[in-house]
Amino acid sequence: EAGVAQSPRYKIIEKRQSVAFWCNPISGHATLYWYQQILGQGPKLLIQFQNNGVVDDSQLPKDRFSAERLKGVDSTLKIQPAKLEDSAVYLCASSLDGIGNEQFFGPGTRLTVL
Amino acid sequence: QKEVEQNSGPLSVPEGAIASLNCTYSDRVSQSFFWYRQYSGKSPELIMSIYSNGDKEDGRFTAQLNKASQYVSLLIRDSQPSDSATYLCAVRNQGGKLIFGQGTELSVKP
Repeated sequence: EAGVAQSPRYKIIEKRQSVAFWCNPISGHATLYWYQQILGQGPKLLIQFQNNGVVDDSQLPKDRFSAERLKGVDSTLKIQPAKLEDSAVYLCASSLDGIGNEQFFGPGTRLTVL
Repeated sequence: QKEVEQNSGPLSVPEGAIASLNCTYSDRVSQSFFWYRQYSGKSPELIMSIYSNGDKEDGRFTAQLNKASQYVSLLIRDSQPSDSATYLCAVRNQGGKLIFGQGTELSVKP
């Protein structure tokens, strides 16, 4: 079974530029999560999708971050414009559903904002 | 007060010893608790889940939960250098969201 796929693995941009990350969850997983992990901290949930609907985006900085999962499968997270404090690893995870099932994490995208 | 708190470490133990990792949480109604292992530069990997008070054993790993004290721990017996990683405690809160602690870095010395 293929795991959660993410791309790119690394990205370096300058502040005020835009960036997009892509995630393809495990086949059949209805729930998809985007986490932000700043160095030395645990992952922080940015947004949770159930199929193509948003379940929780309470910690998503909506003035600069956006995410979509149009067909209920893969998802894109965008930052526009980026700030220095956005430097982090962006982890995508998926689970069969959002109720108690194990979350499987992708390899992450390491973003550096200069 | 943070929702999930862990000592950041590093915790250093000799090979073959027992490593004890601790975590406290603030949401008294939480029902699900998880330990993830994260190697440097890698993504988190679930190693233990626990839902009831008491101990749960899986190989060299034992998770312990005390809901009255809002405390969950992970014991690693016969620690190996390959256990060196950051261990993340995660708690599913009342709203169903998984809240992670900051992680404890474990170093097992040969």
